[in-house]
Amino acid sequence: AAGVIQSPRHLIKEKRETATLKCYPIPRHDTVYWYQQGPGQDPQFLISFYEKMQSDKGSIPDRFSAQQFSDYHSELNMSSLELGDSALYFCASSITGGPREQYFGPGTRLTVT
Amino acid sequence: SQKIEQNSEALNIQEGKTATLTCNYTNYSPAYLQWYRQDPGRGPVFLLLIRENEKEKRKERLKVTFDTTLKQSLFHITASQPADSATYLCALEYGNKLVFGAGTILRVKS
Repeated sequence: AAGVIQSPRHLIKEKRETATLKCYPIPRHDTVYWYQQGPGQDPQFLISFYEKMQSDKGSIPDRFSAQQFSDYHSELNMSSLELGDSALYFCASSITGGPREQYFGPGTRLTVT
Repeated sequence: SQKIEQNSEALNIQEGKTATLTCNYTNYSPAYLQWYRQDPGRGPVFLLLIRENEKEKRKERLKVTFDTTLKQSLFHITASQPADSATYLCALEYGNKLVFGAGTILRVKS
């Protein structure tokens, strides 16, 4: 079965640079979620989108922005990167009105040096 | 804000025994509670969901209980195997997002 696809899988950036993470949800899933997981931490919700509209917002820094496109894929844009942004970034998807569980991608490991 | 507590210590058990993991929460009354498994460097994988009006849910060797009075969920793995070794995350639905606990590391020794 198709799973959530994230790219790139690994990304190394320097401080103050910009990064773009991409997420391709499971086919027919219309809701996308972004989570950040620091070393030894639990996943923290950043933002979610339903039908290309932002549906919820968590602890996402103002330096980050995200959007969902007409094909339901989503991109997380991160600017002015800081050392503390180094983490695993997961994308998850689900079907609104369907099973409530979220299906997570393999994650993008971002390292800021 | 919502607070979720899971066993902070790793749980070490012998193969074949039942593992029991605890999830306690405060400042919230979730309609749904979910359990996920996470292996190092990988995304969480959904295991079970239980509704507030359900006391117990089972799936193969897994069992989840949900006590809304105690604000607690228990997650059981019977006949545990070394392949069950992972971090298990409890998650509450808050709006349309998941709020995760810190997770409990389970180690099953053969």
